[in-house]
Amino acid sequence: QKEVEQNSGPLSVPEGAIASLNCTYSDRGSQSFFWYRQYSGKSPELIMSIYSNGDKEDGRFTAQLNKASQYVSLLIRDSQPSDSATYLCAVKTGGYQKVTFGIGTKLQVIP
Amino acid sequence: GEEVAQTPKHLVRGEGQKAKLYCAPIKGHSYVFWYQQVLKNEFKFLISFQNENVFDETGMPKERFSAKCLPNSPCSLEIQATKLEDSAVYFCASSQDQNYGYTFGSGTRLTVV
Repeated sequence: QKEVEQNSGPLSVPEGAIASLNCTYSDRGSQSFFWYRQYSGKSPELIMSIYSNGDKEDGRFTAQLNKASQYVSLLIRDSQPSDSATYLCAVKTGGYQKVTFGIGTKLQVIP
Repeated sequence: GEEVAQTPKHLVRGEGQKAKLYCAPIKGHSYVFWYQQVLKNEFKFLISFQNENVFDETGMPKERFSAKCLPNSPCSLEIQATKLEDSAVYFCASSQDQNYGYTFGSGTRLTVV
């Protein structure tokens, strides 16, 4: 079992719709959770951090964390073509000084 | 500065040659991380530093890879005797705190031929 699992996609949504990206992780001791956006050929960019159960909203982005289910999600409202990118889920476990990345979900927003 | 500066952007090495990559973290960021991104977006953690001290090196293939972060110098990642499978994009990232998210540099694309 991989430490951080994501569906590689592609996930296609029409412009203006809600995109829902999901991630599960294996280590119950995980404490910090991140979503990064990576455009093709570019470096990852941090878009959301979440540390406690529940929802965290920032503009069109909402991160959701459920530690009991070991599940993290990212919702993108009013999706735009410029949101088309790969979204990487990243998890930091308590005992380690590193963040483990999932393989990323490729999102395509269709105009 | 406000960006993580990585050099060079591209590096081509013959198999068996040495490769050295550099990273200047954001000023004030105590933590530096190196990751290797191969095909299909797989990020492999290599090593992290807190200032000049190794924080976690569990991802480093120690027989050929080494890294340093010395005061007043860019951090470096060196690969001795490169192999074809070392071809990848190497990202450096920095952070103010070990629990915060990272700011990534633009990466160094290493091609071993």
